[in-house]
Amino acid sequence: SQQGEEDPQALSIQEGENATMNCSYKTSINNLQWYRQNSGRGLVHLILIRSNEREKHSGRLRVTLDTSKKSSSLLITASRAADTASYFCATGRNKLTFGGGTRVLVKP
Amino acid sequence: KAGVTQTPRYLIKTRGQQVTLSCSPISGHRSVSWYQQTPGQGLQFLFEYFSETQRNKGNFPGRFSGRQFSNSRSEMNVSTLELGDSALYLCASSSGLEQETQYFGPGTRLLVL
Repeated sequence: SQQGEEDPQALSIQEGENATMNCSYKTSINNLQWYRQNSGRGLVHLILIRSNEREKHSGRLRVTLDTSKKSSSLLITASRAADTASYFCATGRNKLTFGGGTRVLVKP
Repeated sequence: KAGVTQTPRYLIKTRGQQVTLSCSPISGHRSVSWYQQTPGQGLQFLFEYFSETQRNKGNFPGRFSGRQFSNSRSEMNVSTLELGDSALYLCASSSGLEQETQYFGPGTRLLVL
């Protein structure tokens, strides 16, 4: 079963716009990770945020974590066509539990 | 460092057969985890091996098994294949320590006919 849900399930934006997706989870966590998957290939790790962190940046990515609401958000700024992919949040240590993912389409 | 590698990349089997998938982790990583991805169930954890021992197990039937060798390479086996076993099987490796990132391989796409 999924740990949580991601919202929205799908997102379509123009190149240059920002993309925001949200993830909710059910149990307390030590950290939360975001992954990207292109066309049914392997998962690429994007960012890990620990439970005592509220915000983290990596390049064009910004992740927030609100443990009181059991939710996290991923913001991709100035999106590019190459950002077209599915994005997943995951919780757990060596046994990851994934959300359902958000499919992002960036139109050139 | 070379990334996680999985072989084969694609596989077609028929119902009732068995299949073995292989995963080579990043050099120095001692933990290998396996996941199944299907359109209906999404990404689901199968099991994790650390230093040749199964450390965590997901909710899959006993037809799904795995092992890890002394060089940390891992194999998973599915016996008596069913149509519903068609999926992308992903392997991930990490150091095995707390709060460490898992790095995924490209996956093996299995089609059961």
